[in-house]
Amino acid sequence: DTGVSQDPRHKITKRGQNVTFRCDPISEHNRLYWYRQTLGQGPEFLTYFQNEAQLEKSRLLSDRFSAERPKGSFSTLEIQRTEQGDSAMYLCASSPNPASMNTEAFFGQGTRLTVV
Amino acid sequence: RKEVEQDPGPFNVPEGATVAFNCTYSNSASQSFFWYRQDCRKEPKLLMSVYSSGNEDGRFTAQLNRASQYISLLIRDSKLSDSATYLCVVITSGTYKYIFGTGTRLKVLA
Repeated sequence: DTGVSQDPRHKITKRGQNVTFRCDPISEHNRLYWYRQTLGQGPEFLTYFQNEAQLEKSRLLSDRFSAERPKGSFSTLEIQRTEQGDSAMYLCASSPNPASMNTEAFFGQGTRLTVV
Repeated sequence: RKEVEQDPGPFNVPEGATVAFNCTYSNSASQSFFWYRQDCRKEPKLLMSVYSSGNEDGRFTAQLNRASQYISLLIRDSKLSDSATYLCVVITSGTYKYIFGTGTRLKVLA
């Protein structure tokens, strides 16, 4: 499978625990994005990377959230001290450098987080 | 004000009907536009890009109006399988991040 893959697909955790999600983008894509989606809403931008450089973080991303892409390939998103409000689908997407118009972003199937 | 706004619907239409969705964007520097489709509990997938001159793909037609800062999606001869959420997506020049609208839910009824 050469698409974007995310692991795990589902995660149930107790409030206060730390969780880490992994995303493997399409191999030749140098842009990688993280989004959060809750029921009835569109994906909300969290952060993105150009190769290993984190270019922007949303104000939605509190200091409990951290993302890395250490070698410019896979990325991890960590949430520390989880809260019930963190329950959501976390989506990863990748694209080639979209300097040209109309470059499509490809999404993984997401990690569904439930904080109990 | 949200950067990309859509009517969340739901739009309930009979099979064979024509339905249109609009989406407005607030940043005049926006340069690329897309419609994505998202099925229940699945990831978004590209339906079509939106070009300045408008473009058509089978039963689907997308239009861009830069002066009024909106894009539209027209679906002709709706099928049951068109039932999904349609997400409007915008890329703003200089940032190259994909900004999504809330999505418009469509339900095609038999």
